[in-house]
Amino acid sequence: EIVLTQSPGTLSLSPGERATLSCRASQSVSSNYLVWYQQKPGQAPRLLIYGASSRATGIPDRFSGSGSGTDFTLTISRLEPEDSAVYYCQQYGSSRFTFGPGTKVDIK
Amino acid sequence: EVQLVDSGGGLIQPGGSLRLSCAASGFSVSTTYMNWVRQAPGKGLEWVSVIYLGGTTYYADSVKGRFTISRDNSQNTVDLQMNSLTAEDTAVYYCARGGGFGKYYFDYWGQGTLVTVSS
Repeated sequence: EIVLTQSPGTLSLSPGERATLSCRASQSVSSNYLVWYQQKPGQAPRLLIYGASSRATGIPDRFSGSGSGTDFTLTISRLEPEDSAVYYCQQYGSSRFTFGPGTKVDIK
Repeated sequence: EVQLVDSGGGLIQPGGSLRLSCAASGFSVSTTYMNWVRQAPGKGLEWVSVIYLGGTTYYADSVKGRFTISRDNSQNTVDLQMNSLTAEDTAVYYCARGGGFGKYYFDYWGQGTLVTVSS
């Protein structure tokens, strides 16, 4: 079973700054199978990035994804106050899905 | 408009059973794979189960043998039958739509339904 590790656990940044979130897999993951979600308190998760680098419908272009193999990155180029949330990566393998533990992004 | 409405949660005693339901609108549940994902209070997301187009099902190890996912195409619903519940099953349960064949992501989510297992 592939295990996903996310770092840092919490990121505290100011509006306009750049956020870099890491997702590391215990084994190689196909880029097609790596996904990022955003979850705000009291809300269901929202699809951000699929296929490691493709933005979902309606997602602002300040969100971007990259990476391959075991190392993937979600970048928020210019933080907005509404980007305060927990971000999860997810992978698919052997007909099942697993999530990473999440990175909390706080906007100062 | 695609919409998923989760229901059936509540307070249940340890060892009890509960059946969750996900009512879909704006698409047919027979056209894509459907999932249940849960989130314990203050914790992260945990994938629970999937039902694929052909009816094949898979489960997380933590629920295998206790939970059963099913689909009713005529009602356009997806259910999760949960048996032998323990405190560790306490969570908000979300229904989530798969992106389609060859698309390994969840593009629409229900609002969640809270299951509390406690005596």
